[in-house]
Amino acid sequence: NAGVTQTPKFRVLKTGQSMTLLCAQDMNHEYMYWYRQDPGMGLRLIHYSVGEGTTAKGEVPDGYNVSRLKKQNFLLGLESAAPSQTSVYFCASGVSNSPLHFGNGTRLTVT
Amino acid sequence: AQSVTQLGSHVSVSEGALVLLRCNYSSSVPPYLFWYVQYPNQGLQLLLKYTTGATLVKGINGFEAEFKKSETSFHLTKPSAHMSDAAEYFCAVTDWGGKLIFGQGTELSVKP
Repeated sequence: NAGVTQTPKFRVLKTGQSMTLLCAQDMNHEYMYWYRQDPGMGLRLIHYSVGEGTTAKGEVPDGYNVSRLKKQNFLLGLESAAPSQTSVYFCASGVSNSPLHFGNGTRLTVT
Repeated sequence: AQSVTQLGSHVSVSEGALVLLRCNYSSSVPPYLFWYVQYPNQGLQLLLKYTTGATLVKGINGFEAEFKKSETSFHLTKPSAHMSDAAEYFCAVTDWGGKLIFGQGTELSVKP
């Protein structure tokens, strides 16, 4: 009964390095989302996907790329990490206009 | 474009007192509205949701919220606060396009 699984849980990067965050869901959900959470700013939508092979920009997409090659996976990539991308990243999945299921987050620090 | 405003980044109440967390939304189409709760170092959990029908929605842990279209509000209430209610609360809105937008969050403290 895994739900939404995010890997890794923690990561420290140096400025300019790249990395990929993986989100996997086992509920056959069509919709998947990536958010970042920063103090005092709530959760801001980075990118989202309404189905396999589709992606769309959210509120703060710059500096990130995503891919949804398989329905169960949604990858978030940082090509060249910057200190401003230090944050907690949450993945979520769901069906249209229904509550989302959230992962437990990835804490990323960029030095 | 959708937006959500939560009034008050921090609310403090005494145990047993009324909890009122405010949320106003802006949406160009009839919205679906949600309240989520986040405990420290955890992900978000759904408290309650409004989609259609009855405007007073009851959720888990004794919380409820009322959808008021004329005021574009969806305030969260609980008659009597408990220490275990201390957490951060997020209001969120979605339209038909699948994009779920969150407010800035309100941290609730409960004093003994």
